Amino acid sequence: GEDVEQSLFLSVREGDSSVINCTYTDSSSTYLYWYKQEPGAGLQLLTYIFSNMDMKQDQRLTVLLNKKDKHLSLRIADTQTGDSAIYFCAEMEGGGNTGKLIFGQGTTLQVKP
Amino acid sequence: DAGVIQSPRHEVTEMGQEVTLRCKPISGHDYLFWYRQTMMRGLELLIYFNNNVPIDDSGMPEDRFSAKMPNASFSTLKIQPSEPRDSAVYFCASAPPAQGGNTGELFFGEGSRLTVL
Repeated sequence: GEDVEQSLFLSVREGDSSVINCTYTDSSSTYLYWYKQEPGAGLQLLTYIFSNMDMKQDQRLTVLLNKKDKHLSLRIADTQTGDSAIYFCAEMEGGGNTGKLIFGQGTTLQVKP
Repeated sequence: DAGVIQSPRHEVTEMGQEVTLRCKPISGHDYLFWYRQTMMRGLELLIYFNNNVPIDDSGMPEDRFSAKMPNASFSTLKIQPSEPRDSAVYFCASAPPAQGGNTGELFFGEGSRLTVL
């Protein structure tokens, strides 16, 4: 079945860039997503990328997609303490718009002042 | 809209007791998902509904778990009897109809933290 994998932990200093990496298996995924979970809260969509794109920039966030290697990354520029959270990579199962997202294990980002 | 509403936010119960978790999706959304989050397994999809009909319940761990969606604005996840290994945060999420322009975003509730002693 489909699988999404991420590293579990990343620690950076405030002001540095953070790069969170993800690999996925379903090559038919139409969209790939990054969700953010703050302590004690549910997940919220941070950004997404359409599968025919290789890059998307949104303010401090840059998403890079390498479809050949099935690799997705999220770069956060000028990381702030408020960016400390768990970041989940996700793909839509079976492509199209089935409604069923498969999530990675989540990467805990720790930002040190 | 108030977003996806889940209740209770926290529940502590004893092994063997019945637990019912509730969810109100965002009005107009026709997809509803139940996820479970634990440290060991991360975020697991238990079941999801489309237009109140269960589409995929392959993630439901065992017969002790059941989920219903009697109407478009309400769903329950029931565990009977509960066991300590069911302790987790249970999330409900909803999504709008799958049609052109819909990116497949899920809208999550704040979760129900269940502790089974």
